[in-house]
Amino acid sequence: GQQVMQIPQYQHVQEGEDFTTYCNSSTTLSNIQWYKQRPGGHPVFLIQLVKSGEVKKQKRLTFQFGEAKKNSSLHITATQTTDVGTYFCAGKIQGAQKLVFGQGTRLTINP
Amino acid sequence: DGGITQSPKYLFRKEGQNVTLSCEQNLNHDAMYWYRQDPGQGLRLIYYSQIVNDFQKGDIAEGYSVSREKKESFPLTVTSAQKNPTAFYLCASTLDRDTNWHEKLFFGSGTQLSVL
Repeated sequence: GQQVMQIPQYQHVQEGEDFTTYCNSSTTLSNIQWYKQRPGGHPVFLIQLVKSGEVKKQKRLTFQFGEAKKNSSLHITATQTTDVGTYFCAGKIQGAQKLVFGQGTRLTINP
Repeated sequence: DGGITQSPKYLFRKEGQNVTLSCEQNLNHDAMYWYRQDPGQGLRLIYYSQIVNDFQKGDIAEGYSVSREKKESFPLTVTSAQKNPTAFYLCASTLDRDTNWHEKLFFGSGTQLSVL
């Protein structure tokens, strides 16, 4: 069954508000990747986190990997209409060399 | 331009028919993957191949078949045994020679398969 749970499934915000999506794994991950899929498009790689407690930033996007390497989050500060899309986490299961995708969080923005 | 090309963009299948989705990459990547995406769900792995002439089943391989005769090409056949084939199919590749497969996936633009 699904081993990487992502919440929320949907999020609607006003432009300028912040947005956060969370991923939780039932097992320890070797690393976690984040992808963005624009409406009608294909997933595009954003970032990979490897170390326990790692935090990385890309402009308004902040990515965190939990201390236990079982959870991760993506936070967008002051959303813009270009942030619309579905954000997926994908965890690499430790020892299994397997990448498991979360269900994705679909972000819509009211301009 | 380097990238992954999937064709066709839209495909319709009649009952009992096999259909083949094309995936070609010119990135010189070793590993290639096929994912299925259903609305509201994450991507599920159908098949993957780490080297030419070798491939492995993913989580939902039943009703699908693949081949990897060339490094650049990894076609997916949706057979008549796949009873619920309507989905968005994504092909992907990663560079990973020898180590850590499933790193940074590069995706094609996808094929939407529907049943007539």
